[in-house]
Amino acid sequence: GAVVSQHPSRVICKSGTSVKIECRSLDFQATTMFWYRQFPKQSLMLMATSNEGSKATYEQGVEKDKFLINHASLTLSTLTVTSAHPEDSSFYICSASHTEVRGEAFFGQGTRLTVV
Amino acid sequence: DAKTTQPPSMDCAEGRAANLPCNHSTISGNEYVYWYRQIHSQGPQYIIHGLKNNETNEMASLIITEDRKSSTLILPHATLRDTAVYYCIVTIKAAGNKLTFGGGTRVLVKP
Repeated sequence: GAVVSQHPSRVICKSGTSVKIECRSLDFQATTMFWYRQFPKQSLMLMATSNEGSKATYEQGVEKDKFLINHASLTLSTLTVTSAHPEDSSFYICSASHTEVRGEAFFGQGTRLTVV
Repeated sequence: DAKTTQPPSMDCAEGRAANLPCNHSTISGNEYVYWYRQIHSQGPQYIIHGLKNNETNEMASLIITEDRKSSTLILPHATLRDTAVYYCIVTIKAAGNKLTFGGGTRVLVKP
């Protein structure tokens, strides 16, 4: 199946710093990628839709100035958590779709962010 | 997207079939039933999807009732590696990758 890779898989950063998470579709082009966040023992929550060559669409309650999304190419979307705080500590997951493959979504392995 | 209801948890024995139910009584005619699973600390993994006919692949079978208001995911021979949270999601296929996750069913396969 199609492969989506996230990097890094784990990151620890200090409060006030920014962290960039990359999401790559390795063997297909994805005009649209999605970013989710998952807190412990909770389900995934959609944060935003990343569109290649245009601005991301954010879900209600997600601060666009705090979670910067860039989708500069058909195989790469990045999520930057700016001025991170401990409450931003979470599991961040991206997904991408391969339109020729049955409409299913392919997920990255996730990034565990810990803000200290 | 239509709302889905799943039991929060269930246990099953290794080697036996695991039947995971999902209710989606408000499903629309153009909405598909998707199943994903998430093994601890990993990204979700696609399992199967269907519209109205039963579907089978190498991982599982999907049984959808005739009125499409409920479905059952069947893992024919559960293994310890099938321990995961299983999510039933209803959505139109064009948006099949923009997913609204509910609580899912936490499945524990026991030896």
